Amino acid sequence: DTEVTQTPKHLVMGMTNKKSLKCEQHMGHRAMYWYKQKAKKPPELMFVYSYEKLSINESVPSRFSPECPNSSLLNLHLHALQPEDSALYLCASSPSPTSGTYNEQFFGPGTRLTVL
Amino acid sequence: GNSVTQMEGPVTLSEEAFLTINCTYTATGYPSLFWYVQYPGEGLQLLLKATKADDKGSNKGFEATYRKETTSFHLEKGSVQVSDSAVYFCALNGADSNYQLIWGAGTKLIIKP
Repeated sequence: DTEVTQTPKHLVMGMTNKKSLKCEQHMGHRAMYWYKQKAKKPPELMFVYSYEKLSINESVPSRFSPECPNSSLLNLHLHALQPEDSALYLCASSPSPTSGTYNEQFFGPGTRLTVL
Repeated sequence: GNSVTQMEGPVTLSEEAFLTINCTYTATGYPSLFWYVQYPGEGLQLLLKATKADDKGSNKGFEATYRKETTSFHLEKGSVQVSDSAVYFCALNGADSNYQLIWGAGTKLIIKP
């Protein structure tokens, strides 16, 4: 299994809703990432989990709350979002976050989020 | 700091034309270099990579050579198809970026039949 899966594919939510995005990989990778991508722009890093511990939080607002229940799963909990949070949310994984070798990141198909 | 510069798009070509998308980078040391492709409505796929100077990455008819002397990693394909229409991102990672990906702005490629 060489893919990263994400659910749901599309999500529409109101500003008062609570929802979660899910990501899963079965490649034995020990680093997992959340990115936000606006149209026609490169992805912006949000969070990095290294060996199931949060290692990087790129000053993301607290209305986004990541969780890594185990080495294969990554969640992103959403609460009280704003319309400007509408974007494609991408999950990625890589064999290890930092090492003497440079590891490529494998991306999931993304969740397209619309906040009304 | 590290940075990646890509040619501005969109790039519009006819089918079977030769493609070059320029990518240059700024980094200390020896970063790894990547090309990712994003088809309409999809996530990012790794297209090819190179991890040291003079390495050539190749996949699906695309090629790119890691040129340290010119700090470049230009993407080329000899004969493009309509199905190659997508956005292409050049990226690097290395010790200076704490192994996180540094992205170019992306180049939209449009292939006309």
